[in-house]
Amino acid sequence: NAGVTQTPKFQVLKTGQSMTLQCAQDMNHNSMYWYRQDPGMGLRLIYYSASEGTTDKGEVPNGYNVSRLNKREFSLRLESAAPSQTSVYFCASSGTPPGLGTRIGDNEQFFGPGTRLTVL
Amino acid sequence: AQSVTQLGSHVSVSEGALVLLRCNYSSSVPPYLFWYVQYPNQGLQLLLKYTTGATLVKGINGFEAEFKKSETSFHLTKPSAHMSDAAEYFCAVTSGLGGNQFYFGTGTSLTVIP
Repeated sequence: NAGVTQTPKFQVLKTGQSMTLQCAQDMNHNSMYWYRQDPGMGLRLIYYSASEGTTDKGEVPNGYNVSRLNKREFSLRLESAAPSQTSVYFCASSGTPPGLGTRIGDNEQFFGPGTRLTVL
Repeated sequence: AQSVTQLGSHVSVSEGALVLLRCNYSSSVPPYLFWYVQYPNQGLQLLLKYTTGATLVKGINGFEAEFKKSETSFHLTKPSAHMSDAAEYFCAVTSGLGGNQFYFGTGTSLTVIP
């Protein structure tokens, strides 16, 4: 199992350019997440997808869009990159089944290796 | 609402000394608690987790943490620091509801002095 994979590993953009960060998991997980990590701020949730076909905003969604392409893949798109979006981006997945009405928080999130994005 | 506070953004210990990284949480429902470790230029790796049952949980690399409900704490400890423990450590909380959203602390950078 590769776990959670992300592409690209590094990217440099100019202000106003667009790009899509790709994420895939091979653990048959239902839930997937996109975070950004900035110094002194920990990880902040951008968007998440509790199950295939659903997406929801997290703490810092402005300037981003997501697509849950299928159960395996969850992409993050920057339509018009800004310097404030310079960050390290992590994708994660967890196996929490959707809509059961039970508390299944013992499924930890598994993280990809990250994408380091610089916007000039 | 849930949140996590990690006291001390930087902690330094001597090799062989006790490691203590502090985490306090806020949760309106019984929490699930996690500690993750991040080595330079890598993703996050699970160290240990508390879900239900025994309040003292053991993780990888000799780390352990104790869930104390009365103190709303989940501090991470290791009896004897090793050079390889130098990394960033994150505490996280979830209720398991709402898509299993995790709420992370701002992290503690651990330096081990030889």
